[in-house]
Amino acid sequence: DADVTQTPRNRITKTGKRIMLECSQTKGHDRMYWYRQDPGLGLRLIYYSFDVKDINKGEISDGYSVSRQAQAKFSLSLESAIPNQTALYFCATSDPGLAGEDEQFFGPGTRLTVL
Amino acid sequence: GNSVTQMEGPVTLSEEAFLTINCTYTATGYPSLFWYVQYPGEGLQLLLKATKADDKGSNKGFEATYRKETTSFHLEKGSVQVSDSAVYFCALSDGPSNFGNEKLTFGTGTRLTIIP
Repeated sequence: DADVTQTPRNRITKTGKRIMLECSQTKGHDRMYWYRQDPGLGLRLIYYSFDVKDINKGEISDGYSVSRQAQAKFSLSLESAIPNQTALYFCATSDPGLAGEDEQFFGPGTRLTVL
Repeated sequence: GNSVTQMEGPVTLSEEAFLTINCTYTATGYPSLFWYVQYPGEGLQLLLKATKADDKGSNKGFEATYRKETTSFHLEKGSVQVSDSAVYFCALSDGPSNFGNEKLTFGTGTRLTIIP
């Protein structure tokens, strides 16, 4: 089973709808991240969390919100989706406290299309 | 702020060709440097990393050397295979690697296609 899972994997929605993307991890990591990937722009950080009580804005947080329900779960919400939020969204985890695991581990991604 | 500039793609090579994907960076302090690879339909996975100047990261035949004097971390492989076809991202952390690369700054990615 994958260590970092994302649901749904694909979603098509309409402008103005509320959307939630979910991320779960079984790695036991404290730190979790949400990125979006756009062609020609690489990955950009939306929000990150270093533990359950910690939420931080990233480079492009406007129009998004997050919830860290538990160590293993980190959800990304679009309160009112707009077409320029069409992108590939990735969740990632890390835990520098674990020996040799200072890299980030990525989920498979969620492809979101806003019509 | 931090930034990463990498070679524009797409790059198309024949099998067994030599590969170089250029990456240069701008950062304060002493960042750690990474190459991530994204195979079709998958998330990113770490390919290699280097945490200080002159370190060489290597994995699966790929290598990259942390060059502080030229602020570069170019990815190389001596003989590419069809299975190397993927998108490659150069990235840096904003803190020492032993504190965790809590915020990564990515380049725009380079799509590599290897033809038999």
